Amino acid sequence: AQSVTQLGSHVSVSEGALVLLRCNYSSSVPPYLFWYVQYPNQGLQLLLKYTSAATLVKGINGFEAEFKKSETSFHLTKPSAHMSDAAEYFCAVMEGGSQGNLIFGKGTKLSVKP
Amino acid sequence: DAGVIQSPRHEVTEMGQEVTLRCKPISGHDYLFWYRQTMMRGLELLIYFNNNVPIDDSGMPEDRFSAKMPNASFSTLKIQPSEPRDSAVYFCATAGQRFNEQFFGPGTRLTVL
Repeated sequence: AQSVTQLGSHVSVSEGALVLLRCNYSSSVPPYLFWYVQYPNQGLQLLLKYTSAATLVKGINGFEAEFKKSETSFHLTKPSAHMSDAAEYFCAVMEGGSQGNLIFGKGTKLSVKP
Repeated sequence: DAGVIQSPRHEVTEMGQEVTLRCKPISGHDYLFWYRQTMMRGLELLIYFNNNVPIDDSGMPEDRFSAKMPNASFSTLKIQPSEPRDSAVYFCATAGQRFNEQFFGPGTRLTVL
């Protein structure tokens, strides 16, 4: 069965600094991987997804993630944090494109200091 | 399209009362999911439908919870009777037939006193 581990429930960075949110997964078949963002009092919104094409995936708002099979990782990065990036970020894994089998990590809350 | 629509956005009720949460999916989406989000347990899938048919309800916590999708444009999640431990944010999400992202609604924040 697949699972997702997000390292660090809270991450704090300064405005303009690099953002790095870590995600490791386990899956018995080639996975699809996702990052979602949740702003306060809102639903989840897709940032980016990996579906077995290019391993470096670019998403909205300047975020990107790299699929590394050897490390079973899909870390999310952004070169320069903006105050508006403060939110909770969820990594998710789906085995083989099966819609009903999307497993979310516990989430990482990102704070951005001025 | 207005996106996934959920109602009500907030619900406060007393223990023992029946609660009904509603969801209108994005037109043309064949999959509909109900999730529950709490601080303790994170985001949990409760049940999902494909073409209005329930496919997997193994995440439904107990018989007090039931979900229906009578047609392609409407689904309900009902809790009867409600208990304080049911307090959470409930999300509806939908997706197309071809693999695609899940689109989430804004959620219903349920408080059971």
